[in-house]
Amino acid sequence: SQQGEEDPQALSIQEGENATMNCSYKTSINNLQWYRQNSGRGLVHLILIRSNEREKHSGRLRVTLDTSKKSSSLLITASRAADTASYFCATVKDSNYQLIWGAGTKLIIKP
Amino acid sequence: ETGVTQTPRHLVMGMTNKKSLKCEQHLGHNAMYWYKQSAKKPLELMFVYNFKEQTENNSVPSRFSPECPNSSHLFLHLHTLQPEDSALYLCASSQGGAGEETQYFGPGTRLLVL
Repeated sequence: SQQGEEDPQALSIQEGENATMNCSYKTSINNLQWYRQNSGRGLVHLILIRSNEREKHSGRLRVTLDTSKKSSSLLITASRAADTASYFCATVKDSNYQLIWGAGTKLIIKP
Repeated sequence: ETGVTQTPRHLVMGMTNKKSLKCEQHLGHNAMYWYKQSAKKPLELMFVYNFKEQTENNSVPSRFSPECPNSSHLFLHLHTLQPEDSALYLCASSQGGAGEETQYFGPGTRLLVL
């Protein structure tokens, strides 16, 4: 069953704007990870946030985690055309080491 | 490059064919994974190998048969597939089998079953 659900399913913004994607999940987690996938390629790990963390930064990326609401957000600031890709969240449940994936948000950055 | 390679990158096969997908990781990792990615669906975990031992088989049909001869190589043998098996098949590896670790993905094999 699907654990992570990204929202929105698709997002189109102008270059330079900020992009925000959300992920909701159903069960308790050990950590939550965000990955990026360029069209037809493999996934690339972006950032991991643990259940006891609330916010994490990496370059232009900012991830927040709200375990009370079972949700996470990924913010990309000052977007670039190269950020065009699909973004996936994946969660790891407390008692299971498997990554459970959402269906992804397709982000398009218009030049 | 992520250090995980997959061959072939594209494969077209008939329902009666037998083919194999190959994955190799150059990262010294101990865990390897096969995923199936279909359009507009979440990534589906198929198999997990940890230290060459299969630790997960997520109710995958027997027409998919994995093989892990060593910790660097992973194969997916395909036999009498169905058109609905057409998808992108992704291989990944991680340092161990723990979910808190980053997974490194190959570029995938785009499979079309006719």
